[in-house]
Parts: sequence; C-alpha cells; structure tokens
Amino acid sequence: DAKTTQPNSMESNEEEPVHLPCNHSTISGTDYIHWYRQLPSQGPEYVIHGLTSNVNNRMASLAIAEDRKSSTLILHRATLRDAAVYYCILGLFGNEKLTFGTGTRLTIIP
Amino acid sequence: SAVISQKPSRDICQRGTSLTIQCQVDSQVTMMFWYRQQPGQSLTLIATANQGSEATYESGFVIDKFPISRPNLTFSTLTVSNLSPEDSSIYLCSVGGAQQPQHFGDGTRLSIL
Repeated sequence: DAKTTQPNSMESNEEEPVHLPCNHSTISGTDYIHWYRQLPSQGPEYVIHGLTSNVNNRMASLAIAEDRKSSTLILHRATLRDAAVYYCILGLFGNEKLTFGTGTRLTIIP
Repeated sequence: SAVISQKPSRDICQRGTSLTIQCQVDSQVTMMFWYRQQPGQSLTLIATANQGSEATYESGFVIDKFPISRPNLTFSTLTVSNLSPEDSSIYLCSVGGAQQPQHFGDGTRLSIL
C-alpha cells in the first residue's frame, strides 16, 4: 500500500482556518485520497475524499496538488469539536479496507 | 449513512477467557471490517468479513485467536480468545459500500485483568 506522511500534531486557534498537510509521493493512479477523523472515545468518521480535483463538502475542503503527491485538508473555521486525530489514507473508494497511518492530532485552542 | 451498534461498549475480562463482540448494522451491507486499536496507537485491520464466506485475515492475525462469524448481511461477531494483557485494546467494526465511505462503530474497550 502507498504510504502517507503527516505531522504528528498541530495546534490551531478556535474560529481560524486549519490546514492539515499530507504527503503521499508514491500514490498510484487509482488511489483516492481519503480523510477520516477520530474524536475522543469514538470510532473514526469520514470527512472527505478526492481523486484529482479539489473537493468541498459541509465539513471541509480537500486541496490536491497537481502531481497528486500531496494534499491538504482545510477546516475553514475550527471549533473545539474539531479537536481530533485526522488520518489521511490512500486507496480505492468503496468496499475496501482502510490502512491507517499515525495521523495528526489536532488541538484547538479556545 | 449506516448506523452501527457495537456491544458491549466496554468489558473487563480475566486472563484465559474469551470475549465475543457484536456488531449490528441498520442496513444490509456486503463487507464488514474488524479493527484493533491498541492504547495510544492507530487502527490496525484484523480481518474482512463477507457474508457467506470465511473471513479474510490480515498478516499477524489468525482465526484461532480472532474467530469471526457473519451469519447475515446486518450482523457480525468477533471473538477474542484466550485473553492476555496484550489484548487490551479497542476493537471496532466498520462497514462500507460500493462508492460509499466506511462507517465505524464506537468500539468495544477491552481490559484484561
């Protein structure tokens, strides 16, 4: 499986935008870029996914580099509820297993 | 999106015993996945469970230690056998679907005395 690299931790102030980076230099042409997050004492939840183009949904935006070797998850206005571990995962989309890396622990400062 | 219910939410077990974890989904799904999350760690896939066939185990996980049942399209169980302190973890099930993201239960927190 292609590997992703994320910072271990990040901090951001409440109500400010957050940019969470992910490097995936060995991504294959069929790999989607998935983002999940895990809030304390909960199972992971889906955030967003994309293949080549930037994507937006109600939770976040995903910016994908033109060469697809990196991507950035953007939370437009962080709230305390966004404090979680964010995982960037590569793979097919759908009925496929997910290979979790170590993720980025995001702390939101009130 | 699928709603997943896991039981029990937590348990404390004696060494050498077994615990069976149930995962119930509110809709029919083809594939269910079982993960383990050791303390302070990320998630590791144990096995993939398809209805009507034997589960497919990942490297490092064996059926004798982690037997899985998948009797229908909405239910699965994972048994953790012959418990030892190293089995203290959170066990999570998830479900996917064609062109759908995965949805996870909130996990079963297992502690071994």
